[in-house]
Amino acid sequence: GQNIDQPTEMTATEGAIVQINCTYQTSGFNGLFWYQQHAGEAPTFLSYNVLDGLEEKGRFSSFLSRSKGYSYLLLKELQMKDSASYLCAALDSNYQLIWGAGTKLIIKP
Amino acid sequence: IAGITQAPTSQILAAGRRMTLRCTQDMRHNAMYWYRQDLGLGLRLIHYSNTAGTTGKGEVPDGYSVSRANTDDFPLTLASAVPSQTSVYFCASSDSGGVADTQYFGPGTRLTVL
Repeated sequence: GQNIDQPTEMTATEGAIVQINCTYQTSGFNGLFWYQQHAGEAPTFLSYNVLDGLEEKGRFSSFLSRSKGYSYLLLKELQMKDSASYLCAALDSNYQLIWGAGTKLIIKP
Repeated sequence: IAGITQAPTSQILAAGRRMTLRCTQDMRHNAMYWYRQDLGLGLRLIHYSNTAGTTGKGEVPDGYSVSRANTDDFPLTLASAVPSQTSVYFCASSDSGGVADTQYFGPGTRLTVL
């Protein structure tokens, strides 16, 4: 079956760095998305990786290892507004997104 | 303002009633999607449409139907609502379907079926 695993909740301190991991098992693979979702709001796009390696976009970076079925989202210089859920989603062979349950990130002052 | 709108924002519905959730986008995207989001679970695809006039079933289509008469609108209908359909429903769109395009989400409809 198809499966996405990510931690349910993480806590970090304002100004610090946090890494949110995601492992995936899908039938076929056409890339890995990360979305941010604030409570009560819609998911918004953060990043897309299809090749191995690190993609950096400001304070956020995303890494992919296709051979390990593994990705992580790295958030630097954490701000209180980064408190949100982070959703990992893999694109399968039919180009349908398979979503993880999300990681709730709590930022403490 | 460009984007996706959904209506209603929230709704409480008696079991057995028929309900249509509306979704409209003004980005001229070809593909549209309906998801439900439940606590502790990832977003699950209900139905999708890669282009006007075509629709397809997602992971959890039972009890739901859709139509895509034009590019902009993609309504989701619950023919006879049941309590297990209590959820937050998100509509999304992307430039193309069947490729690795970013999906953009509407604000969601919170539906409670009693």
